Amino acid sequence: EAGVAQSPRYKIIEKRQSVAFWCNPISGHATLYWYQQILGQGPKLLIQFQNNGVVDDSQLPKDRFSAERLKGVDSTLKIQPAKLEDSAVYLCASSSDSLGNEQFFGPGTRLTVL
Amino acid sequence: AQSVSQHNHHVILSEAASLELGCNYSYGGTVNLFWYVQYPGQHLQLLLKYFSGDPLVKGIKGFEAEFIKSKFSFNLRKPSVQWSDTAEYFCAVLSSGTYKYIFGTGTRLKVLA
Repeated sequence: EAGVAQSPRYKIIEKRQSVAFWCNPISGHATLYWYQQILGQGPKLLIQFQNNGVVDDSQLPKDRFSAERLKGVDSTLKIQPAKLEDSAVYLCASSSDSLGNEQFFGPGTRLTVL
Repeated sequence: AQSVSQHNHHVILSEAASLELGCNYSYGGTVNLFWYVQYPGQHLQLLLKYFSGDPLVKGIKGFEAEFIKSKFSFNLRKPSVQWSDTAEYFCAVLSSGTYKYIFGTGTRLKVLA
């Protein structure tokens, strides 16, 4: 089965610019997660979708970050405007449900903000 | 606040040495526990998980972990490591109350051939 796809793999922008990341989860997976992984730290959950509804976005900096999953399949995460501290790897993961089953991770997008 | 602690950030072992990576969490309720691994250049992938039942769980590639509820711990073990086990290992906890995953900071393991 195809895995979780993410694009782009790498992105370099200047501070105050905007950027968008795309994720296509495994077919049939209802739950989609976006994580931020700063160098030397573990993944931090930004937002969790169940189908096209938001389950948890308590750690999403809503003044600059937004995410959507309009048709309950693929998702985009946007940062506008970017700050230096947003430099990180952004991971997308999906699972068949939100009850603790295995998460399948994509390759991530490495964002560098200059 | 819930948290996950991984005590060792970097571990270097020789092949055939035994491995134990520590993981402690802070949450008083029911939890599901996971170890994920990220090999160089690859995606994060599940190594093993504990939901209920036998507190000693076995995963892929000879890894096992033991859930000790009284110690809030879920340590990862392998009796004899191989060079191919070089990777970063993450402990993760999913609490039954919030269904929110919390990851530890990771342990970078290097196995010398």
